[in-house]
Amino acid sequence: ELKVEQNPLFLSMQEGKNYTIYCNYSTTSDRLYWYRQDPGKSLESLFVLLSNGAVKQEGRLMASLDTKARLSTLHITAAVHDLSATYFCAVKPGSGTYKYIFGTGTRLKVLA
Amino acid sequence: NAGVTQTPKFRVLKTGQSMTLLCAQDMNHEYMYWYRQDPGMGLRLIHYSVGEGTTAKGEVPDGYNVSRLKKQNFLLGLESAAPSQTSVYFCASNPPTGHLIQETQYFGPGTRLLVL
Repeated sequence: ELKVEQNPLFLSMQEGKNYTIYCNYSTTSDRLYWYRQDPGKSLESLFVLLSNGAVKQEGRLMASLDTKARLSTLHITAAVHDLSATYFCAVKPGSGTYKYIFGTGTRLKVLA
Repeated sequence: NAGVTQTPKFRVLKTGQSMTLLCAQDMNHEYMYWYRQDPGMGLRLIHYSVGEGTTAKGEVPDGYNVSRLKKQNFLLGLESAAPSQTSVYFCASNPPTGHLIQETQYFGPGTRLLVL
């Protein structure tokens, strides 16, 4: 059974600090996705990582993918309050599959 | 483009009642999905469809049925609602793998369902 684990589950950090959210998955996949969800809202796509070594950056967020380690990271640089949200990673296992398996999410709170 | 829309936004049911949730997308996407989101459990796939007239079971299909009679619509039915089906339901769609547009999922705004 494919498992997608995120850690930490909860993260409270000060503005201006750096931190990393980790996403581990248990089966072969070369496609990994990061989403953001604000409280009471829907999910918004942040990054699509389609190959080993892929790195993408948008503002203070940078995502990377290591398919050999089955690990993706979402790095937050100099956090600001507006980044407070829940972040999900999702994996599309193997090839020829249509399913996306989501992690349990990391709830980030950035304190002013 | 409206993107992905869901109807209704909120509903309260009594145990044993039935209802249908409607998902509509105007992006001509082939693939559509229904998820449920519960606290601390992320999103879990209920059913999905890879094209008009096709459906398949996801991770937690029991107690739900789906239909995709038209490409733009994906319906989720609860025949006899139970309190365990209290959740937030999200619909999503995306183009097929390998499509020129990156294959991220586009999510609807969600339907909050409370079963008493």
